[in-house]
Amino acid sequence: DIVMTQSPDSLAVSLGERATINCKSSQSVLYRSNNKQYLAWFQQKPGQPPKLLIYWASTRESGVPDRFSGSGSGTDFTLTISSLQAEDVAVYYCQQYYINPFTFGPGTKVDIK
Amino acid sequence: QVHLVQSGAEVKKPGASVKVSCKASGYTFTNYGLSWVRQAPGQGLEWMGWISGHNGNTFYSKKFQGRVTLTTDQSTAMAYMDLRSLGCDDTAIYFCARVEGLVPAGAFDSWGQGTMVTVSS
Repeated sequence: DIVMTQSPDSLAVSLGERATINCKSSQSVLYRSNNKQYLAWFQQKPGQPPKLLIYWASTRESGVPDRFSGSGSGTDFTLTISSLQAEDVAVYYCQQYYINPFTFGPGTKVDIK
Repeated sequence: QVHLVQSGAEVKKPGASVKVSCKASGYTFTNYGLSWVRQAPGQGLEWMGWISGHNGNTFYSKKFQGRVTLTTDQSTAMAYMDLRSLGCDDTAIYFCARVEGLVPAGAFDSWGQGTMVTVSS
C-alpha cells in the first residue's frame, strides 16, 4: 500500500497569513503515460463530508477560492493557503488515487493563531 | 447541482450486515463512478471501493474484498454498499463520493452527507 504522511499534524496561522501543508507518498503517484500526478487535497470541517479542493496535484476544483493552490510531483506535495481566512479552519487531507487501495494522509488541522 | 443523499443512521450487532444507500441527482448517473469511504469516530479517511455507474464494474480495496459488495440501480440512480460480518471496529461514518470519469482513479468531486453505522452488542 502507498503510505501517505502529512506535516505538520497541526498548525495555527494568523488571519491573512500563509499556511503550508506538506504531503509525502511512500512511492511515486506519477503515471508516466499521461504525465499526471494522482494526488488530491480535501478540506473537512466538523460534521461535514470532505470537500475536494485540488486534484491532479495542482488543478483547483471549480468554485474553490484561488487562495488555495497545490504543487509538487513524484512523492512530495504541498497545499498552500496564501491568505488564511476564518472559514479555512478545518482538517486537510491529501489522497493518492493511483494504486489500490487509494489512501489518505492522516490529516493536518489548521487553526487561527 | 450534484446531490448525493445517503440513507439514515444504522445500529447493528456484531456479526450482522448493513446496507447503506446513496441517491444521486443533478448529473448523468451513467457517466460517473462512485467510491465509498469511511471515517471512524475522530479518525481519518479510509477508501473501501469503487463502482462504475455505467456498467456496474467494481474495484475493491484489498482490505474489504470479500466482505463488501457495491451495487447500483441505474433506473433509480441509486448506489448501495453492503458490508457483512460487522465488528465493533466497523463503527464509522460511511460516505459515497462521485468519481470523475469511468475509471476508479479519478477525483472524488462530490460527497454524500455520510451515514453513521454503529456496531454494538
